Amino acid sequence: AQTVTQSQPEMSVQEAETVTLSCTYDTSENNYYLFWYKQPPSRQMILVIRQEAYKQQNATENRFSVNFQKAAKSFSLKISDSQLGDTAMYFCAFMRLLKGAQKLVFGQGTRLTINP
Amino acid sequence: KAGVTQTPRYLIKTRGQQVTLSCSPISGHRSVSWYQQTPGQGLQFLFEYFSETQRNKGNFPGRFSGRQFSNSRSEMNVSTLELGDSALYLCASSFGTGYEQYFGPGTRLTVT
Repeated sequence: AQTVTQSQPEMSVQEAETVTLSCTYDTSENNYYLFWYKQPPSRQMILVIRQEAYKQQNATENRFSVNFQKAAKSFSLKISDSQLGDTAMYFCAFMRLLKGAQKLVFGQGTRLTINP
Repeated sequence: KAGVTQTPRYLIKTRGQQVTLSCSPISGHRSVSWYQQTPGQGLQFLFEYFSETQRNKGNFPGRFSGRQFSNSRSEMNVSTLELGDSALYLCASSFGTGYEQYFGPGTRLTVT
C-alpha cells in the first residue's frame, strides 16, 4: 500500500517570502502521479500542481514549483513570493498510473499561514 | 464551465438514520470519486465510479454505498449513521485514469 507523509504540520512565513513544504511517499510502483492540493478556509480543495513520475523535469505553475526526487521518493512544493491568499492547508497526494486506479492517497497536510 | 457541485452543503442527522449525498461532476467527466475528511483520520478514499460502475472501493464498512447514473451524477448513501460518520464528504470528478481530479465544495455531515 502507498503512504504519503508530510512532516510539517504547520508553517508560517511573512508575505513575499519563499516557503517550501515537504512530502515523502512510499510505493513500489514505478509509474504514478503526484499532486499538491490546497484547501483554504472555505474547504474547497484546489489543485495546485501535478507531476508525472516518468517526467524528469520538475513541474512549475506560476509561483508554484516542485522538487521531485524519484529515487528519494520526495516531492516538495516551493511557493515563491508568497501571498496572503496562499494561506491554506496543503495536501500532498499520490495516485497510481494504472487503468482504473483513480484513487488519491493523501498526506496529513501542512497548515500554511502567510502573515502580512 | 461549471465546477463540481454537491448537495446539500450542510446536513444534520441523528444516529441510526440514513443519508444520501449528491454530486454532479464537471460536464464531460465520467469518473466520480468520494472522500471522507475528518480531523482524526484526514482524507480517506471511499469509492470511485466510472460509467456507472464502481471501479475502486476504500476500506469502509458496507453502510457506505454509492451509485452513478447515466449522466455521470453520483450519489453516496450512508445507512445506520454513527457519531463517527460526522465529516466533510468531498466528491471529485475527472475524465478518467491519469487525469486530475477536481473537487466539489463538500457536504458537511453532522451526526448527533
